[in-house]
Amino acid sequence: AQKVTQAQTEISVVEKEDVTLDCVYETRDTTYYLFWYKQPPSGELVFLIRRNSFDEQNEISGRYSWNFQKSTSSFNFTITASQVVDSAVYFCALSVISSGSARQLTFGSGTQLTVLP
Amino acid sequence: GAGVSQSPRYKVAKRGQDVALRCDPISGHVSLFWYQQALGQGPEFLTYFQNEAQLDKSGLPSDRFFAERPEGSVSTLKIQRTQQEDSAVYLCASSMGPHNSYNEQFFGPGTRLTVL
Repeated sequence: AQKVTQAQTEISVVEKEDVTLDCVYETRDTTYYLFWYKQPPSGELVFLIRRNSFDEQNEISGRYSWNFQKSTSSFNFTITASQVVDSAVYFCALSVISSGSARQLTFGSGTQLTVLP
Repeated sequence: GAGVSQSPRYKVAKRGQDVALRCDPISGHVSLFWYQQALGQGPEFLTYFQNEAQLDKSGLPSDRFFAERPEGSVSTLKIQRTQQEDSAVYLCASSMGPHNSYNEQFFGPGTRLTVL
């Protein structure tokens, strides 16, 4: 079974601060994908980033960056120079590649990020 | 092109009523997923279709929940004899490839179901 834990329930920062969202996952599968999704008040989940289990290289994409560490089963997400429009609930999710299974996503419980002006 | 759409956006039902929730996936997407999101929680998997075939329904919470995708495009999630614990947002997602390939899932805006 898979599990994703987001220990931070709520985070508040002031605009232009950097913020890191934590994610810890559990799986026995050796091949898997990790994701971050954003859910603004409108409710629609928006895909942000994806990483596969074979690639621990950390990258930066615009104001987003992520830190994937298999040794600690963590996949943390950082927003640099936060903006008010970044305010949303952020979900970390896991998808495993098991034979015969659908590629459903296992989500964490989410972190509510509030960016104050 | 258009994204995933769902209707209705909001549904209020009296306990015991049957409801039907519709999902229009992105045109040409083979895979379709339904998720249930309780208030303050992350979405939880309900069921998966590859074209018209329902390949995984392990997440359906009871036999009151039924889903179909008869022509491999539009899907309907039906809940019979609704109960208060069914109150949640029901999300639909589609992706381009079949389950043995990997593509991102694109989500619709959800249907918020409230059972009184």
